[in-house]
Amino acid sequence: AQSVAQPEDQVNVAEGNPLTVKCTYSVSGNPYLFWYVQYPNRGLQFLLKYITGDNLVKGSYGFEAEFNKSQTSFHLKKPSALVSDSALYFCAVRDKGGTGFQKLVFGTGTRLLVSP
Amino acid sequence: EAGVTQFPSHSVIEKGQTVTLRCDPISGHDNLYWYRRVMGKEIKFLLHFVKESKQDESGMPNNRFLAERTGGTYSTLKVQPAELEDSGVYFCASSRTVGPYNEQFFGPGTRLTVL
Repeated sequence: AQSVAQPEDQVNVAEGNPLTVKCTYSVSGNPYLFWYVQYPNRGLQFLLKYITGDNLVKGSYGFEAEFNKSQTSFHLKKPSALVSDSALYFCAVRDKGGTGFQKLVFGTGTRLLVSP
Repeated sequence: EAGVTQFPSHSVIEKGQTVTLRCDPISGHDNLYWYRRVMGKEIKFLLHFVKESKQDESGMPNNRFLAERTGGTYSTLKVQPAELEDSGVYFCASSRTVGPYNEQFFGPGTRLTVL
C-alpha cells in the first residue's frame, strides 16, 4: 500500500529564512504526490502536486517541492518564510481506490511555526 | 464558485448519542470523499461517492458509521452510537473528475468531540 511519512512534528524557522518540511513516500509504480496546508480554523488547501515532468514543482504562496526519486522524497520548500506561513502541512500520495486513483493517503502532518 | 461546506463546524456529544455530519460539495462535482483526522494522527480516507453511489468505502471503521448521498448532491455521515474514539476532525472533499490528475477540494471540517 502507498504511504507517506513526515518525520517532523514541528518545524521552527525565523521569518526571512528558508524553510523545508520533509516528506518521504513509499509507492508501487509512479507516485502522484501532493502538499496541502491547513491554516487555523480553515480547511485543507491545495498547495502543489507532482504527477510527472520536472522534479521541481512550483505551487501557491511561493512554495515549491522537489521530487527526488532516488531518495523517495518530496520535501516542501520556500526560500523566505513569512509569519503567515505558520500552519499545519500535510504531504499526501494518491492511492488506487475501487476503480482507480481516487483516495489520498496523508502523512501525520508537520506544524510549521515561523517566528518574527 | 462556492467551496465545499460542512455543518456543523463543531459538535460535542456524549458517548452513545447519535451525530449527523453534513457536507455540501462544490456544485457540479460528482465525486465526494470523506476523511477523518484523529488527534495528532494522519488524515485517513473513509469513503468515496460518485454521484449517489458508494465507489469505495474501504476506510469506514465499522458499522456504526453510515454515509449517504441521496440525489447525488449533499452527503451525510451518521455515527450511531458514538464512541470516545470517534472524536476527531471529519473532512469532506469533492472533485469534478477522477484520476491521478484531479484535485480534491476540501471543506473546513467538522470537529467532533465525544465525551
